[in-house]
Amino acid sequence: NAGVTQTPKFQVLKTGQSMTLQCAQDMNHEYMSWYRQDPGMGLRLIHYSVGAGITDQGEVPNGYNVSRSTTEDFPLRLLSAAPSQTSVYFCASSYSYGAQNYGYTFGSGTRLTVV
Amino acid sequence: SQELEQSPQSLIVQEGKNLTINCTSSKTLYGLYWYKQKYGEGLIFLMMLQKGGEEKSHEKITAKLDEKKQQSSLHITASQPSHAGIYLCGAFLYNFNKFYFGSGTKLNVKP
Repeated sequence: NAGVTQTPKFQVLKTGQSMTLQCAQDMNHEYMSWYRQDPGMGLRLIHYSVGAGITDQGEVPNGYNVSRSTTEDFPLRLLSAAPSQTSVYFCASSYSYGAQNYGYTFGSGTRLTVV
Repeated sequence: SQELEQSPQSLIVQEGKNLTINCTSSKTLYGLYWYKQKYGEGLIFLMMLQKGGEEKSHEKITAKLDEKKQQSSLHITASQPSHAGIYLCGAFLYNFNKFYFGSGTKLNVKP
């Protein structure tokens, strides 16, 4: 099992460019989320999905789009990169059964710099 | 997130000392989770607490959940340099869809 795979690991963008951060999981998890981590602010939820075809906004969704066409993949799109989007991005997935969610498995992160 | 407050923000302890990290929620908790992040790496799941009064241990790390107070504590006994990293609490606060994190506690353990 590969777990949660994020690509790329590092990326530098120019202001205004667009790009897609890839996230794939092979655990058949229905829940997937994207977070950004900034110094002193912990992890903030950008978008999440509770299953294929279902996505919703988190705390800081502006400037980002997501889609979930398959259970395995949950790409994050930056529409027009801004320096404020310089951050470390984490993708995570989890499964739940009944009223219990068994915690998230995280990818290793993508370090994005927007200049 | 502001819904989950962690304290302290950072901690430096001598190897062998015990320490406690706290996580307090302003909202009803639907489970409380603890993660560890080594510097520059992803998050590792430590443990999950679902019921009030629940206590779990893994090696030298013990976590408790006080549901009435909407808080959890993480206690490390006889700390080692391998315990160094960032500890984050996380929780489902409104439903089982949105998962929030505290701001983290940076732990350094001096040999």
